Amino acid sequence: GAVVSQHPSWVICKSGTSVKIECRSLDFQATTMFWYRQFPKQSLMLMATSNEGSKATYEQGVEKDKFLINHASLTLSTLTVTSAHPEDSSFYICSARDLRGTLGETQYFGPGTRLLVL
Amino acid sequence: AQSVAQPEDQVNVAEGNPLTVKCTYSVSGNPYLFWYVQYPNRGLQFLLKYITGDNLVKGSYGFEAEFNKSQTSFHLKKPSALVSDSALYFCAVRDSGGYQKVTFGTGTKLQVIP
Repeated sequence: GAVVSQHPSWVICKSGTSVKIECRSLDFQATTMFWYRQFPKQSLMLMATSNEGSKATYEQGVEKDKFLINHASLTLSTLTVTSAHPEDSSFYICSARDLRGTLGETQYFGPGTRLLVL
Repeated sequence: AQSVAQPEDQVNVAEGNPLTVKCTYSVSGNPYLFWYVQYPNRGLQFLLKYITGDNLVKGSYGFEAEFNKSQTSFHLKKPSALVSDSALYFCAVRDSGGYQKVTFGTGTKLQVIP
């Protein structure tokens, strides 16, 4: 149980295009989903937290108009990188948590999406 | 503010030997503590957590961790390392007092030498 999927697993795009990444909790309902960015050989940087049906809360320094997050249902959140540029190239990881159920405090992570902007 | 420290960037251990990956934390209230493992180009896999109860927590793949409140530590241990344990390990903490964000350590690369 507690499986989180991400799609796509990797994407290459041209500068200026937009890229959408999907995060799904497959066997549980996620009250909260988190989006992280990870640079090579570095820890995870939290970008934003989203609760189902409400606006995402962005961390300081993260442009909300650049990184659009939608958490439309209890099993799906999307991150759209708008007008992507090479500096947006990174490994994006989502995680999900269900505080209401037996999973409690634990965050479960997706496999990540490697984005390369040319 | 909450924080977590993993003092070692890399730990090398011979296969079959016991391993320890260190983690210390700082929170204002009671801590929720987690260990995750990350293999190359993959997301994080949950290993174990301490929320309350016994200080010794057993998790996946034979790993365990001991919560030490006086030393504010939550070191990850395994009695006998496997080559397949080689990966990046992250310790994480969250203050139980309602602050919902989890803070991750910088990660420790574990290298198990055959």
